[in-house]
Amino acid sequence: ETGVTQSPTHLIKTRGQQVTLRCSSQSGHNTVSWYQQALGQGPQFIFQYYREEENGRGNFPPRFSGLQFPNYSSELNVNALELDDSALYLCASSLTREYNEQFFGPGTRLTVL
Amino acid sequence: QKEVEQNSGPLSVPEGAIASLNCTYSDRVSQSFFWYRQYSGKSPELIMSIYSNGDKEDGRFTAQLNKASQYVSLLIRDSQPSDSATYLCAPRSRDDKIIFGKGTRLHILP
Repeated sequence: ETGVTQSPTHLIKTRGQQVTLRCSSQSGHNTVSWYQQALGQGPQFIFQYYREEENGRGNFPPRFSGLQFPNYSSELNVNALELDDSALYLCASSLTREYNEQFFGPGTRLTVL
Repeated sequence: QKEVEQNSGPLSVPEGAIASLNCTYSDRVSQSFFWYRQYSGKSPELIMSIYSNGDKEDGRFTAQLNKASQYVSLLIRDSQPSDSATYLCAPRSRDDKIIFGKGTRLHILP
């Protein structure tokens, strides 16, 4: 059984640029959630995708957008990057949206200069 | 009141002792609770879940839920240096999303 994977592991961008982060969910899982974790903070919920549809969104501006593909992998896109977007971006998959247990990928560390 | 509150620590506990981690929550969360462990530079790892009032034990870990007082705790018995990490309390919100506290840093002293 393959766990949750994310790419890339590290990324450096400059203000105003755009970035795409990728996540492959654990085998058999149809729900993916994205989180942003700033240094010293807990993960903050960005949004969740279930069967290719957005299923809830946290308090993030529209320049944070996402996508889920038929194989349940997912992308997180961030436009017009700001310095405060520097964080660890975590993807978590779960068996289905009603299932409580989430399994996290290793994360993507984004630095915005 | 914030939805989830944890003491940021660090909490220092001698090796072999019991570490006690606490979390309080608001009415805006539901009654499902999770504890995650996060090592520095790594992603969170689910270690315990609890859904009903009382205690739930799993190996050296015990989760305790007190709905009347709106708190949930995690006890780690026979603490080991490998338990040194940040512990995140994560209840399920009423709209079925997992929300995280800031975490408590635990340091086990050899």
